[in-house]
Amino acid sequence: DGGITQSPKYLFRKEGQNVTLSCEQNLNHDAMYWYRQDPGQGLRLIYYSQIVNDFQKGDIAEGYSVSREKKESFPLTVTSAQKNPTAFYLCASSIAQDYEQYFGPGTRLTVT
Amino acid sequence: QKEVEQDPGPLSVPEGAIVSLNCTYSNSAFQYFMWYRQYSRKGPELLMYTYSSGNKEDGRFTAQVDKSSKYISLFIRDSQPSDSATYLCAMSRTGGYQKVTFGTGTKLQVIP
Repeated sequence: DGGITQSPKYLFRKEGQNVTLSCEQNLNHDAMYWYRQDPGQGLRLIYYSQIVNDFQKGDIAEGYSVSREKKESFPLTVTSAQKNPTAFYLCASSIAQDYEQYFGPGTRLTVT
Repeated sequence: QKEVEQDPGPLSVPEGAIVSLNCTYSNSAFQYFMWYRQYSRKGPELLMYTYSSGNKEDGRFTAQVDKSSKYISLFIRDSQPSDSATYLCAMSRTGGYQKVTFGTGTKLQVIP
C-alpha cells in the first residue's frame, strides 16, 4: 500500500528545543518537499529535494534544516532559531519531472 | 499582490447543489493547474490536474482553465455532505522542476 507517512500526528515541545519531524514515502518518488500551513496563508515551501543527498531552500527556510540520506526519507528539524514554529507541517513527494505532489497526513507542532 | 488569489469562504450550499470554486492568478507563465481537497486536520488530496487551457472532467468534478483571463474553476455536481472540506488551487510553470504556488483555500460546507 503506497503512500507517505508522517509521524507523529501531534507534537508538543518547549520553546528553545529542537524537534525533528519524520517523513517517509514508499512511492519511489525522487522529489520530496516540506510545507508549512498556517490559517489564512496557504502552504509555504520550506525545503525541497529532487534527489538523494541534495536539497534546496524554499521560501521560508530560516530556522529549519533537512537531510536526504535515503530516497524514502526526508526528515525536517525545526530548530530553536525558528521564531514561530507552531504550525501544521506537511510533507509531499512527486515524480521529479512531474508536477503532481502527493501529501502526507501532516504533523501539528505546538511549541509553548 | 499575491500570485494566486482564492476566496476563503466559507461557502455553504444545500446537498445536491452545483458548487463553483474559483482562483485567479497573475503569472502568465503558469501552465499546470491543480485542485486539492483538504479535510480538517488532514493532508491535501489531489483531485484534479490539468495542463494549459480547457476542461477536464472526473466523475462529479470538472476543472476549467481560462488562461486568457487567468482564471481557473472547479465545479462539483450533485454536492454531498462528504464534499465538505477546504479546496486548494495550485499552479506551476513548465520546464523541469518548478515550484508550485498554492491558493489559501476555500472552505466548503454542504448542508444535508
